[in-house]
Amino acid sequence: QVQLQESGPGLVKPSETLSLTCTISGGSISPYYWSWIRQPPGKGLEWIGYISYDGITNYNPSLKSRVTISLDTSEKQFSLKLDSVTAADTALYYCARAPHLDYWGQGTLVTVSS
Amino acid sequence: EIVLTQSPPTLSLSPGERATLSCRASQSVSNYLAWFQQKPGQAPRLLIYDASNRATGIPARFSGSGSGTDFTLTISSLEPEDFAVYYCQHRSNWPRTFGQGTRVEI
Repeated sequence: QVQLQESGPGLVKPSETLSLTCTISGGSISPYYWSWIRQPPGKGLEWIGYISYDGITNYNPSLKSRVTISLDTSEKQFSLKLDSVTAADTALYYCARAPHLDYWGQGTLVTVSS
Repeated sequence: EIVLTQSPPTLSLSPGERATLSCRASQSVSNYLAWFQQKPGQAPRLLIYDASNRATGIPARFSGSGSGTDFTLTISSLEPEDFAVYYCQHRSNWPRTFGQGTRVEI
């Protein structure tokens, strides 16, 4: 059974960089697209971006200038970095397996506050 | 960016009733449309992918239909555990987007 687990700081200061890692267990990295999706409290879902099993990335244009997603195949982890965060980046951050988003992590709440 | 509009925003029904949820795309997404269920405090769960294919372990009371710009999720007979928020999502092009959700409540 595939399992995904997010990890990282739950509190980030404004203007700093949000960094999260997702650890994949119970399944193969290929041929999937490993994705980050976020959900502000009480609101809907926004796809941040993905990295493919062979390292191709695609980012939401609304966040593209601030986002980097990377993949470590040896550790079976992929990571999200979001630069210059503001309060608007406060959200529950999920990692998930694409293309069908059939497996999700449980989510990690990141609050942007000084 | 493709905009997905879900209707109605809220659906008030009773257990045993039929639920019909709609998702309309601002341009064709072919059949690249999925449906998710989200309960409070939980991650979304994939119900339907590519418009009409049930995901693994999803009960047969959930069905999806449609293509192009108009899609429907039908729950044939609501069980108590089906009261939740439902989202549609496309994978036709980038960026992938989600609808704003339909809440199914008692």
